[in-house]
Amino acid sequence: DGGITQSPKYLFRKEGQNVTLSCEQNLNHDAMYWYRQDPGQGLRLIYYSQIVNDFQKGDIAEGYSVSREKKESFPLTVTSAQKNPTAFYLCASSLQGALAYEQYFGPGTRLTVT
Amino acid sequence: AQSVTQLGSHVSVSEGALVLLRCNYSSSVPPYLFWYVQYPNQGLQLLLKYTTGATLVKGINGFEAEFKKSETSFHLTKPSAHMSDAAEYFCAVSEGLAGNTPLVFGKGTRLSVIA
Repeated sequence: DGGITQSPKYLFRKEGQNVTLSCEQNLNHDAMYWYRQDPGQGLRLIYYSQIVNDFQKGDIAEGYSVSREKKESFPLTVTSAQKNPTAFYLCASSLQGALAYEQYFGPGTRLTVT
Repeated sequence: AQSVTQLGSHVSVSEGALVLLRCNYSSSVPPYLFWYVQYPNQGLQLLLKYTTGATLVKGINGFEAEFKKSETSFHLTKPSAHMSDAAEYFCAVSEGLAGNTPLVFGKGTRLSVIA
């Protein structure tokens, strides 16, 4: 089955620690995205990548970092510089080119930092 | 820059009643429009999309939406609500093909269905 996997489902960290959220897709999609979801805020774009070894900042990139070394993988690191890291994080992917319409989403990772 | 406004953060309907979730968008070019649904602690699932052509689009689970350019709207409807429709719904807009231009999402509307 093709899809997007995010692990773990729930993640707990102490304040001041960096944490990396995993996102893997086997859809052969070119573009991948990270969103943050907070209650009543909708989805806000953190970073996106249209091709391997290249990525762009979204609206709320401060305190986050990403890498795109493989087409299938787009891990997100939440650094200690992120002031309010507790949130639900969603990874998505899409095709490029003439058939590139909707984004496909993973199941999400709920991060709690105390 | 594009933007999406969803009117009403929470909508409550009785089972069997009409569902109407409102979405207005702002875009400088002909938009691509989407409705997604999210069940608690899950990812988003595409309900339907408008790209070009017919302005009334049908999606999964009996939902449909109509693109009205003159009103810059893309409201989501379902004739008869079912308990399983209770979820959060997001409207999104893209000014280009996904992968070229990221989607911009509204803040969501939580739908409650009362038995």
